[in-house]
Amino acid sequence: EAQVTQNPRYLITVTGKKLTVTCSQNMNHEYMSWYRQDPGLGLRQIYYSMNVEVTDKGDVPEGYKVSRKEKRNFPLILESPSPNQTSLYFCASSLVGAANEQFFGPGTRLTVL
Amino acid sequence: ELKVEQNPLFLSMQEGKNYTIYCNYSTTSDRLYWYRQDPGKSLESLFVLLSNGAVKQEGRLMASLDTKARLSTLHITAAVHDLSATYFCAVEHNFGNEKLTFGTGTRLTIIP
Repeated sequence: EAQVTQNPRYLITVTGKKLTVTCSQNMNHEYMSWYRQDPGLGLRQIYYSMNVEVTDKGDVPEGYKVSRKEKRNFPLILESPSPNQTSLYFCASSLVGAANEQFFGPGTRLTVL
Repeated sequence: ELKVEQNPLFLSMQEGKNYTIYCNYSTTSDRLYWYRQDPGKSLESLFVLLSNGAVKQEGRLMASLDTKARLSTLHITAAVHDLSATYFCAVEHNFGNEKLTFGTGTRLTIIP
């Protein structure tokens, strides 16, 4: 089944404790992206990647890191989480070049205490 | 900077009625997407609109795109309870980087 998977789905952590949220897709998509969703703000892009070893900042990159060492994986790293990073996070992927919609993962709900 | 506005933000309507959700955006783009999100769930792609005048229909939902007016509409015909969800439009930037800017969403509640 074609899908985008994220882990963990739920995470409660404390300020300053490094964490990684994994994202993997099995559709051979070049493009992958991370969004955060907050009430009243819609989805805002954190980072994106057009292909392996190619990443770039989105609209709200502060406090986040990403890497793209393999085509299928695009982990989101919070080196020192803070409470304002409490949010619902979505990973998405799509093909590049054609006008293809992005396919979204199930989401990761993160709470930083 | 591309800005995307949706109206209304909240919509409560009775079953059987028709209504329209509007998506306005601030800079030139030829590509617009509509997504649906059920509570606690991920986003599901509904429509991909790729050119001026594009119209797509699926069941009781119809989406259209007017790139000159920078406006897309999502029309709901004879609403049923199953359509209750939050609907997002997303506009693709014309820079070739696949970047999408999302509207804030319209939370639609269909009342029996």
